[in-house]
Amino acid sequence: QVQLQESGPGLVKPSGTLSLTCAVSGGSIFSNNWWTWVRQPPGKGLEWIGEIYNSGSTNYIPSLKSRVTISIDKSKNQFSLKLSSVTAADTAVYYCARDVDQHYFDCWGQGTLVIVSS
Amino acid sequence: EIVLTQSPATLSVSPGEGATLSCRASQSVSSNLAWYQQKPGQAPRLLMYGAATRAPGTPARFSGSGSGTEFTLTISSLQSEDFAVYYCQQYDNWRTFGQGTKVEIK
Repeated sequence: QVQLQESGPGLVKPSGTLSLTCAVSGGSIFSNNWWTWVRQPPGKGLEWIGEIYNSGSTNYIPSLKSRVTISIDKSKNQFSLKLSSVTAADTAVYYCARDVDQHYFDCWGQGTLVIVSS
Repeated sequence: EIVLTQSPATLSVSPGEGATLSCRASQSVSSNLAWYQQKPGQAPRLLMYGAATRAPGTPARFSGSGSGTEFTLTISSLQSEDFAVYYCQQYDNWRTFGQGTKVEIK
């Protein structure tokens, strides 16, 4: 069974870059799936950030497109998120997930809290 | 952007009773709608997709219906493990989520 695990710094300074990695185990990142990032500000709802396919093809939510990069590391069976020029509004739990046919998300990591603060 | 509006924001239900959660889309999403359950401190869990198809492991007491702009998630008889926040998500145009409905114990 596929499992996902996020990792990365829990604290990022304002104007800095948030960097997270999602390790995929129990399955190949080369499978016929997209891989995605979703975030959830404390006490609030869910926001889809973007997705990547094993070919490296990406899609991003328009509101974040200028600041987001999602990449894939085939050798490590993982994918990553970079979000630049962060502010306190980017404070959230960040989840990685498996994206079925660019539709819904059937397998999630446990999430990692990233706080933007000086 | 397609906006999903969930109602009510909070639903107070006694164990064993049924619950009906609504999700309304700002424009038609056909049947491209999923439902998730989220418990405190946990990741969301996929319950339904295609508006009415249960994901593997979803108990039969959960059912989904609707198409176009109006959708419903029904829980026929609430068990203790069902008290959680429920989100709808559309995948007709990009991906957006509703703001959630909290199902709490009455």
